[in-house]
Amino acid sequence: TQLLEQSPQFLSIQEGENLTVYCNSSSVFSSLQWYRQEPGEGPVLLVTVVTGGEVKKLKRLTFQFGDARKDSSLHITAAQPGDTGLYLCAGDPGSNYKLTFGKGTLLTVNP
Amino acid sequence: GAVVSQHPSRVICKSGTSVKIECRSLDFQATTMFWYRQFPKQSLMLMATSNEGSKATYEQGVEKDKFLINHASLTLSTLTVTSAHPEDSSFYICSAPGSGNTQYFGPGTRLTVL
Repeated sequence: TQLLEQSPQFLSIQEGENLTVYCNSSSVFSSLQWYRQEPGEGPVLLVTVVTGGEVKKLKRLTFQFGDARKDSSLHITAAQPGDTGLYLCAGDPGSNYKLTFGKGTLLTVNP
Repeated sequence: GAVVSQHPSRVICKSGTSVKIECRSLDFQATTMFWYRQFPKQSLMLMATSNEGSKATYEQGVEKDKFLINHASLTLSTLTVTSAHPEDSSFYICSAPGSGNTQYFGPGTRLTVL
């Protein structure tokens, strides 16, 4: 069974601060996806990283896929209260559509 | 983009009754759909894989007779929670894979069993 270790599990910061969320595994994934979920809603895809070493930017969010495709990070610059939510990483083994989810990071950005 | 809907969004039922939750892919076909369960402030826990035209595949520890899954068509999967009990109260989410294995998630169904 492939596991994804996501950290930190909880993060409470002030508006304007930067933060990084990590997802690590001993397994190789064909791609890794990051989702954001708000209470009472389904997860919404933010980005998919596919190539080892890939970096993708989405406004103030920067996503990186490790060279060995075993780990990934999400960095948010100058966090805003609207960034509050549950961030989930999910690894795709590439064979059966079945994603492996990390435990999630519950981010609270205080004004 | 691809859209997945779920119905109902919220349901409250009495203990011992059965509840059916529908998951539909609105603008694409899905031979496979996934059902997840989520507790407050926690990640998604995969319950089962719904396969069109064949039996669902359940994850370890998930009772197949308790959570009945039927993949009736290429756009519809249903999850029936049978003889529901308060411990079954949770947020149930379905997903369907689109192009490039992007998973499209439904908006979820909040089940409360009294």
